[in-house]
Amino acid sequence: DGGITQSPKYLFRKEGQNVTLSCEQNLNHDAMYWYRQDPGQGLRLIYYSQIVNDFQKGDIAEGYSVSREKKESFPLTVTSAQKNPTAFYLCASIGYYGYTFGSGTRLTVV
Amino acid sequence: GENVEQHPSTLSVQEGDSAVIKCTYSDSASNYFPWYKQELGKRPQLIIDIRSNVGEKKDQRIAVTLNKTAKHFSLHITETQPEDSAVYFCAASRLASGSARQLTFGSGTQLTVLP
Repeated sequence: DGGITQSPKYLFRKEGQNVTLSCEQNLNHDAMYWYRQDPGQGLRLIYYSQIVNDFQKGDIAEGYSVSREKKESFPLTVTSAQKNPTAFYLCASIGYYGYTFGSGTRLTVV
Repeated sequence: GENVEQHPSTLSVQEGDSAVIKCTYSDSASNYFPWYKQELGKRPQLIIDIRSNVGEKKDQRIAVTLNKTAKHFSLHITETQPEDSAVYFCAASRLASGSARQLTFGSGTQLTVLP
């Protein structure tokens, strides 16, 4: 069953802590994306990767980092530099028929 | 870069009525316009898309129209049902080699269908 898997579904972060959100796809897609969604707002692009070992900043990259060591995996790290990380995070990959989204990770600062 | 504006931000209709959501885009090179439906706490799901070589596309109760000259496109839902209640996002992109590229999203419309 092809698709994108995000984990965990819920994540709690303490002040000053780094946390990593997982995104794995078995669709053989080259391009992958991370979006942040705040309540009542649209999807804002954090980082994207068109190919393995390459990634680019999106519109709101400050306080986040990514890696793309494998085609299947595109993890997102929310660093302590991100002052307002509470949000819903969506990973996506792109193929011929457009975007496929993961089920999201809801991150809350405690 | 591309900028997509979406209106209205909230929309309430009576069950059975029609709903229309409008989007404008800024990049005249954009040629792929998908619409996504997102239910609360879930992932966005593609419901319909249109490419710039057509002006209208219909799928049962859902239709999308595109005006390339004016750079706007709209989603039309007829005979609305309570299960249509969700947030709807428009998006724009350039197709390259037949495949979609990075999408720019509108800010979303919360549609509520009242029974």
